[in-house]
Amino acid sequence: EVQVVESGGGLVQPGGSLRLSCAASGFTFSNYAMSWVRQAPGKGLEWVSGISGGGGATYYADSVKGRFTISRDNSKNTLFLEMNSLRVEDTAVYYCARNLISYWYFDLWGRGTLLTVSS
Amino acid sequence: QTVVTQEPSISVSPGGTVTLTCGLTSGSVSTYYYPSWYQQTPGQAPRTLIYNTNTRSSGVPDRFSGSILEGKAALTITGAQADDECDYYCALYVGSGSSGFGGGTKLTVL
Repeated sequence: EVQVVESGGGLVQPGGSLRLSCAASGFTFSNYAMSWVRQAPGKGLEWVSGISGGGGATYYADSVKGRFTISRDNSKNTLFLEMNSLRVEDTAVYYCARNLISYWYFDLWGRGTLLTVSS
Repeated sequence: QTVVTQEPSISVSPGGTVTLTCGLTSGSVSTYYYPSWYQQTPGQAPRTLIYNTNTRSSGVPDRFSGSILEGKAALTITGAQADDECDYYCALYVGSGSSGFGGGTKLTVL
């Protein structure tokens, strides 16, 4: 089955760090760009970060630039999001999404993992 | 900074036709922004409906169609059904590997 499954969410204090993971299966992971998209409680979707299939190109939203780092391990079919200097406003469900860059859209979504930043 | 805009809420009668739009605070949307549309029911992950302006994703009924209308991307739902009632998001490619989502439209079928 073609799927992506996120993990690693939890409760973190402001200023803390956390790493999210996304395990991919059912497709050739290295052939696809991937992204993280988040959704704060009761709010809309926000693109956070993207990475090329080979991992050589990375992109970030201004809201997380300098604090978050996206990476991937193609040998383990896994995407990561390293989050530092976390803020209350980073509280959200974080979705892993497969990115079809030929048409710049997201064609496969995980179920998400919840990050709560609170003291 | 250019922001992607959507109607916050829209209502449609069962069986009716409704159009949701996706614009920019500065400038017009064209096919070069590769508009895509996503459907989301509460507590669920988004579902991809439309990509590349007007291409339906696999399994999406032809009641859903995409277009460019008067400088905005548009999602038209014909023959609205009760289970179409949920949130709809558009996304645009805004360059440099980045995407921007609209704030979402809550569709009510009543």
